[in-house]
Amino acid sequence: AQKVTQAQTEISVVEKEDVTLDCVYETRDTTYYLFWYKQPPSGELVFLIRRNSFDEQNEISGRYSWNFQKSTSSFNFTITASQVVDSAVYFCALVYNNNDMRFGAGTRLTVKP
Amino acid sequence: EPEVTQTPSHQVTQMGQEVILRCVPISNHLYFYWYRQILGQKVEFLVSFYNNEISEKSEIFDDQFSVERPDGSNFTLKIRSTKLEDSAMYFCASLRGPRDYEQYFGPGTRLTVT
Repeated sequence: AQKVTQAQTEISVVEKEDVTLDCVYETRDTTYYLFWYKQPPSGELVFLIRRNSFDEQNEISGRYSWNFQKSTSSFNFTITASQVVDSAVYFCALVYNNNDMRFGAGTRLTVKP
Repeated sequence: EPEVTQTPSHQVTQMGQEVILRCVPISNHLYFYWYRQILGQKVEFLVSFYNNEISEKSEIFDDQFSVERPDGSNFTLKIRSTKLEDSAMYFCASLRGPRDYEQYFGPGTRLTVT
């Protein structure tokens, strides 16, 4: 089965704290892609990152970083020095062989000033 | 930068009415998708469409739903007889080709069934 699990339903932090959002996936396919999206209160899905199954290099983009580990089927997302504007729901998603996408349940992040 | 557009942004309809949600995918994209997100819940796959036919559909996509690409630019989702539980945000997405993997999402249409 193709499945994405985001075990953290809600996380609340105080501004400037670092926070890690967990994502664990299941797939039988050897070729797949993993994504993170941000959904602010306005509702749109904002693309953050895509990773393919052959590239386990971690990535850093400003305050955002991603840790992809095939050995544990995880693709975790860390926000360093969180800001109030980071408050949103974050979705991890899996795209597998036939280009269909499956989303995790999402993690609601609240950053308090 | 090209983007997927959806109209209307918000649709209110009465239970039992038919509703059509419209999407204009990116022009050179070949694969099209609809997703549903009930308020506060996950984004769920509804249907994928390629070469003028449905490629895959989920168990949510029952006989009340249909999709069409009537004129080569629009991609529509029709709900024949809306129910209260159809109230959700509906996202359209498009994908350029089979090896691209990145779907581009529209801003969504919020459907409210009263």
